[in-house]
Amino acid sequence: AQTVTQSQPEMSVQEAETVTLSCTYDTSESDYYLFWYKQPPSRQMILVIRQEAYKQQNATENRFSVNFQKAAKSFSLKISDSQLGDAAMYFCAYRSAPGGKLIFGQGTELSVKP
Amino acid sequence: DSGVTQTPKHLITATGQRVTLRCSPRSGDLSVYWYQQSLDQGLQFLIHYYNGEERAKGNILERFSAQQFPDLHSELNLSSLELGDSALYFCASSVGRTSGRHLYNEQFFGPGTRLTVL
Repeated sequence: AQTVTQSQPEMSVQEAETVTLSCTYDTSESDYYLFWYKQPPSRQMILVIRQEAYKQQNATENRFSVNFQKAAKSFSLKISDSQLGDAAMYFCAYRSAPGGKLIFGQGTELSVKP
Repeated sequence: DSGVTQTPKHLITATGQRVTLRCSPRSGDLSVYWYQQSLDQGLQFLIHYYNGEERAKGNILERFSAQQFPDLHSELNLSSLELGDSALYFCASSVGRTSGRHLYNEQFFGPGTRLTVL
C-alpha cells in the first residue's frame, strides 16, 4: 500500500523569505500523481500544485515550485517570497493513475512571521 | 470557490443519533469522493462513487454508508454516532473520465461539514 510521510509537523518562515516543505512517499507503482494542498484556517482544501510522475520537469505555479526526485520518492514544496497569506496547513498527497483516492500525509503547519 | 457545495456547514448531535451529509459536485463532474479529517486519524479516504456506482471503499465504518443519486449529488449517512465520529467531512469531485494522460482527474474539494457528536 502507498504511504505519504511529512516529517515536519511545523515550519516557520520570515515574510519574503523562502521555505521548503518536505514529503516522502512509498509506492511500487510507476505511474502516479503527487499534489500539495493548502488548508488555511477556513479549512477549505486548496490545490497548490500538481506533479505527474512520468514528467521529469518539476512543476511550478507562480511562487510555488516542487523538487520531484522519483528515484528517492521525494516531493518537496518550495515557497518563494513568502506572504502572510501563505500561513496554513500544507498536505502532500499521492494518487494512483488514472484516478481514485488521495492518500495524504500528516500535514505541515506553516507560519509566516511579518 | 471550488464549485462543490456541502450542507450543512456545521452539525451538532448526540451519541447514538443518525445524520446525513449532502454534497453537490461541480457541474459535469461524475466522481464524488468522501474524506474524513480528524485530529487523531488525519485526512482519510472513505468512499468513491462514479456516476451512481460505488467504485472504491477506504476506511469507512459499517455504521457509515453513502450513495450517489441520478442527479449526481451524494449523501453520506452516519448512524449510531459515537464521540470519535466528530470530524470534518469533505466531499470532493472530479470529472472522472480519462483522456490522454489522465488530464481530467483533479479533485476539487467542498468546504466540508463539521460534525460534533456530544
